[in-house]
This record gives sequence, structure tokens and C-alpha cells, in this order.
Amino acid sequence: EIVLTQSPVTLSLSPGERVTLSCRASQSVRSFLAWYRQKPGQPPRLLIYDASTRATGIPARFSGSGSGTDFTLTISRLEPEDFAIYYCQQRRSWPLTFGGGTRVEIK
Amino acid sequence: EVQLVESGGDLVQPGTSLRLSCAASGFDFDEYDINWVRQAPGKGLEWISYISADSDSIQYADSVKGRFTTYRDNARYSLYLQMNSLRAEDTAVYYCVPGTWNYWGQGTLVTVSS
Repeated sequence: EIVLTQSPVTLSLSPGERVTLSCRASQSVRSFLAWYRQKPGQPPRLLIYDASTRATGIPARFSGSGSGTDFTLTISRLEPEDFAIYYCQQRRSWPLTFGGGTRVEIK
Repeated sequence: EVQLVESGGDLVQPGTSLRLSCAASGFDFDEYDINWVRQAPGKGLEWISYISADSDSIQYADSVKGRFTTYRDNARYSLYLQMNSLRAEDTAVYYCVPGTWNYWGQGTLVTVSS
């Protein structure tokens, strides 16, 4: 099983700040990595797939990069709706796995 | 508009069974692989099952293998999850998610408790 480790666990930031989240895989997932944002009480929403492709309707402030075992999600300027939990997911091999999440909270 | 409506969640005792349903609309259901993902209260996401569009390929997480069965009825645009021998650790919100991963329903809550 591929284990995904997200860091940091929690980030305290202010609106307008830039943020970079990390996801590290225990073995290569090539570019089969996705990112999700989950707001309280809502299902997750797909932000990025194939490591760097923005999903439909996702604003340009979200960008993803990386391949192999190290990936990042960058939000160029935090909007109020971005204070949420972010998960990475690998789709390289079964079982599909998610990282433990990074919570982005308001400072 | 794409809609996924999960149902069938309930409060049940350990060791019992439950069947979840997922009703899909707004897309060509029979052309899409579908996954089940669950989320325990206050916890992260856990993928538990996959079924291909034609049901020829089915995968399970080790945590549910041998206890849960996924199947679909393409004519009814529906997906099902038969859950047997339920345990307290199966308590979660269960989501059905098409293989594009860009549409999620609101989920259905399963609580396993005596």
C-alpha cells in the first residue's frame, strides 16, 4: 500500500497569504496524484488531478506540481473559502489511498 | 446536472448487515467507473471500493474485503454497497464517487453501535 504523508498537519494563515502544502508518497506514484479541498459539513471537492491539472471550475490561484514521490499544492492568495482541510490522493495503484490531510485555519 | 444521492445509512448493531444505495443522474452512468469512499466522524478520507463501468473489475480495501460487496445496476443508474458483519470502525459517512472524482454526493451516515 502506498502511504501518503501530508505536511504540515495544520497551518495558521491570514487571507491573502500564499500557502504551499506538501504530500509525500512512500513510493513513486508517477503523476497520478490529486488534491481535494473539504469545507466543514461538505463533501470534498476535486482541485487538481494528474499532479498539476486544475479540475473544471477551479480558479487559477490553485496550482499543483511534482512527480514521483514529492508533490505540492500552492494557493497563491488565500480566499475566505480556502480555510478548510486539504487531502492528497494517489491513483497509481490499488488500494487507492489518501493522505491524512492538512488543515488551513485562519490566524 | 450531475447528481449522486446516497441512501440507506442507519444506526445498526455490530455484526449486522446494511445495504447502501447510490442513485445517479445527469450523466451516462453506464460509462463510468464508480468508487465508494468513507469518512469516519472527524477523520480523513478512506477509499473502500471500486467497480468498473461494466462490473468486470472490482476492488476493495483490505479493511472491508470479504465483508462488503459492491455491485451496480446500470439500467437503474444505481450503485450498491452490501455491508455485512459490520463493526464499530465502519461508522462513517459513505460517498459514491464516479471515476472522474469531480462529483460527490452528500453521503449517507452509517453508525455501528450497540
